[in-house]
Amino acid sequence: AQSVAQPEDQVNVAEGNPLTVKCTYSVSGNPYLFWYVQYPNRGLQFLLKYITGDNLVKGSYGFEAEFNKSQTSFHLKKPSALVSDSALYFCAVRDPMNSGGYQKVTFGTGTKLQVIP
Amino acid sequence: IAGITQAPTSQILAAGRRMTLRCTQDMRHNAMYWYRQDLGLGLRLIHYSNTAGTTGKGEVPDGYSVSRANTDDFPLTLASAVPSQTSVYFCASSLEPATDTQYFGPGTRLTVL
Repeated sequence: AQSVAQPEDQVNVAEGNPLTVKCTYSVSGNPYLFWYVQYPNRGLQFLLKYITGDNLVKGSYGFEAEFNKSQTSFHLKKPSALVSDSALYFCAVRDPMNSGGYQKVTFGTGTKLQVIP
Repeated sequence: IAGITQAPTSQILAAGRRMTLRCTQDMRHNAMYWYRQDLGLGLRLIHYSNTAGTTGKGEVPDGYSVSRANTDDFPLTLASAVPSQTSVYFCASSLEPATDTQYFGPGTRLTVL
């Protein structure tokens, strides 16, 4: 069974400092990995995804994530945090080895990022 | 503007009542999904549809039903609402079910009393 873990419920970072939001996963094959962001009272918005290729993936709003197969991780990073980055961040995984009619995407429980001015 | 719309934005419902949450997308996406979001549990898939005319059960389908009569619409029905169905409901779509990004609607906040 596939799973994804976001070990931190909340991450606090000062504006201008680098930020990292952690994500680890478990799948039987090579994973498809996603990051989404949710602002208050809004739906989730896509940030970036890893399907194959370069382990460093660049996405929207200056975010990037690095796929690390040996550590089964896909941490979200940004070199310099903005107050406007404060939001709820979700990691998601899909196992392409899953067969059948449903290509399940499993979401993590979310990490609240608070950027302090 | 292309995207996904959901209605209503919020609703308070008496237990035992029937309720349909509406979802419409204009991106001609093949796949559509219904999730519920609960604190500490993240998003859980209720039902999905890989293409018009087909539907399937997700992780938490009990008490919910869906239909996909055409590409654009994917309504979610609670036949007889219970308090445990109090949640925020998100509809999403993707061009294809597999590797594609999912696009989410703004959500419906449902309270069942």
